[in-house]
Amino acid sequence: NFMLTQPHSVSESPGKTVTISCTRSSGSIASNYVQWYQQRPGSSPTTVIYEDNQRPSGVPDRFSGSIDSSSNSASLTISGLKTEDEADYYCQSYDSSTYWVFGGGTKLTVL
Amino acid sequence: QVQLVESGGGLVKPGGSLRLSCAASGFTFSDYYMSWIRQAPGKGLEWVSYISSSGSTIYYADSVKGRFTISRDNAKNSLYLQMNSLRAEDTAVYYCARRRLPYWYFDLWGRGTLVTVSS
Repeated sequence: NFMLTQPHSVSESPGKTVTISCTRSSGSIASNYVQWYQQRPGSSPTTVIYEDNQRPSGVPDRFSGSIDSSSNSASLTISGLKTEDEADYYCQSYDSSTYWVFGGGTKLTVL
Repeated sequence: QVQLVESGGGLVKPGGSLRLSCAASGFTFSDYYMSWIRQAPGKGLEWVSYISSSGSTIYYADSVKGRFTISRDNAKNSLYLQMNSLRAEDTAVYYCARRRLPYWYFDLWGRGTLVTVSS
């Protein structure tokens, strides 16, 4: 079994770039794809990144994903921050024994 | 319109039971694998259970195994979660979600239904 650990919160100013990390506790981050979900207050989650770095249609290219095997972590980067990006962000991965695992979530404040 | 609509949540005493439903519309429900995912008040997302398109493959999180049962009725375009022996820690908004094949993520979520377990 593994866990995904995210920072509790991050904040940045409009127009800037922010990166949210997601560290896998055991096993390689590269062994299973990582997804990222955005959850605005009072709404259901929506996918912003799937398979480490793929954007679903309709998600702006300000959102990008990557993985880093050296730190065993995934990252979500949002550039050109807008106030509408203020939300909770969750990473998620899967394996055949633990099934779907979510990170604890990161609250992004755009101030 | 493509959507999932959950129902059946409410207030139940510890040890009680509840059955959640999720009505799918706007897509061919029988082609998709489905899950229940929950979110305790002010907390993060927790995957609960998963069922394949035919119902032949089912998985549960350890936290609900033996107490919850997932099922589906493809003729009624509906997903269900039977929850027994409920505990205070089961209090959460329960979402049904559609798995985007062949990928391992959920591309469509309902708005959720709140389950409160309290005496």
